[in-house]
Amino acid sequence: DTGVSQDPRHKITKRGQNVTFRCDPISEHNRLYWYRQTLGQGPEFLTYFQNEAQLEKSRLLSDRFSAERPKGSFSTLEIQRTEQGDSAMYLCASSLDVGGRAFFGQGTRLTVV
Amino acid sequence: AQKVTQAQTEISVVEKEDVTLDCVYETRDTTYYLFWYKQPPSGELVFLIRRNSFDEQNEISGRYSWNFQKSTSSFNFTITASQVVDSAVYFCALSPIIQGAQKLVFGQGTRLTINP
Repeated sequence: DTGVSQDPRHKITKRGQNVTFRCDPISEHNRLYWYRQTLGQGPEFLTYFQNEAQLEKSRLLSDRFSAERPKGSFSTLEIQRTEQGDSAMYLCASSLDVGGRAFFGQGTRLTVV
Repeated sequence: AQKVTQAQTEISVVEKEDVTLDCVYETRDTTYYLFWYKQPPSGELVFLIRRNSFDEQNEISGRYSWNFQKSTSSFNFTITASQVVDSAVYFCALSPIIQGAQKLVFGQGTRLTINP
């Protein structure tokens, strides 16, 4: 399978714990995006990488969130001191160049209890 | 600011009926892309179509068709002869055509249920 893959698919954590998600984009895609989707809503942009450089961050990305893409390949999204409001589906997408169609992974569903 | 509005939260029709999903957008950009994505219960967003703002030709792909009207800032999606497998949440999205980003702004989605 050469699509975008995300791990884990589901994560349940206690409030206050740290969690880290991984995204493996399509290998030749240099752009990688993170989105968050809460129940009944459309995905909302969080951050974007071009190769290893993080070029844009949404105001939704508080100081507790950090994303990295070392070597311009896979990416990780870490949430520190999780809160119940962080419960959502976290979607990763990748694309090739400007205007390229974005391919989405199946997402990581986070539940904070 | 950019905004996408999908006023229909839920639609339910009987199989074989035609159904149209509405999408209205707001943007100050003169050039932009418009998209439709399908999200089945598995959660993955499935790309359906991308249109450039300077190409107002309507498009048909099998049972799917899209009507883009720049004058009314609308990009509606019609499924002809609907099937149960079309049941999903459908999202309309907008992104600017600028160097360096393809940040998608999504609508709230329309949950489509096709009943046998």
